[in-house]
Amino acid sequence: DVKVTQSSRYLVKRTGEKVFLECVQDMDHENMFWYRQDPGLGLRLIYFSYDVKMKEKGDIPEGYSVSREKKERFSLILESASTNQTSMYLCASSPPKYEQYFGPGTRLTVT
Amino acid sequence: TQLLEQSPQFLSIQEGENLTVYCNSSSVFSSLQWYRQEPGEGPVLLVTVVTGGEVKKLKRLTFQFGDARKDSSLHITAAQPGDTGLYLCAGGQTGANNLFFGTGTRLTVIP
Repeated sequence: DVKVTQSSRYLVKRTGEKVFLECVQDMDHENMFWYRQDPGLGLRLIYFSYDVKMKEKGDIPEGYSVSREKKERFSLILESASTNQTSMYLCASSPPKYEQYFGPGTRLTVT
Repeated sequence: TQLLEQSPQFLSIQEGENLTVYCNSSSVFSSLQWYRQEPGEGPVLLVTVVTGGEVKKLKRLTFQFGDARKDSSLHITAAQPGDTGLYLCAGGQTGANNLFFGTGTRLTVIP
């Protein structure tokens, strides 16, 4: 079974803090994704990566950056957390044929 | 840009009833996936359809891809409380590494 793990299930941070969300997959997938999910807005793509050290902006990259130094690990970085970044963050990985496999999510609260 | 519209947005039914959820777009997709997400968890892949007109069955769930590959439906027969969750459709397009997600249908099955 594909396994995608995220470093934290719940996280509380203060405004202005730098936040790191880690995602690891164990299926040697080329593609990895970061989404945020908010009520009424659905899943919105922040960034994705199709290879090590490669990244592409999604629909809402502002305020975020990513890092992919190893194939199995994709990190999402909030450079200076703000309250409007309070959300559920979901990581996913996929082989080239589109099906995405999601982690359990990190519920981030910025106070 | 929201490419996939799902309807209804919310659905509350009694155990044993049948229901259909729709996923519509003006765009053509090379593949269409359906996911189910339970509260506090990441989406889990249910099925992938790739051929126009394709029908796939997964126990009490029947998935159909439209002939023109622009829409899809999910039909549940004799719904059970365990079917409760958020149902998401997602479309893949040739040459794109990412998926386009619908806004979701939140289903509640009342015992």
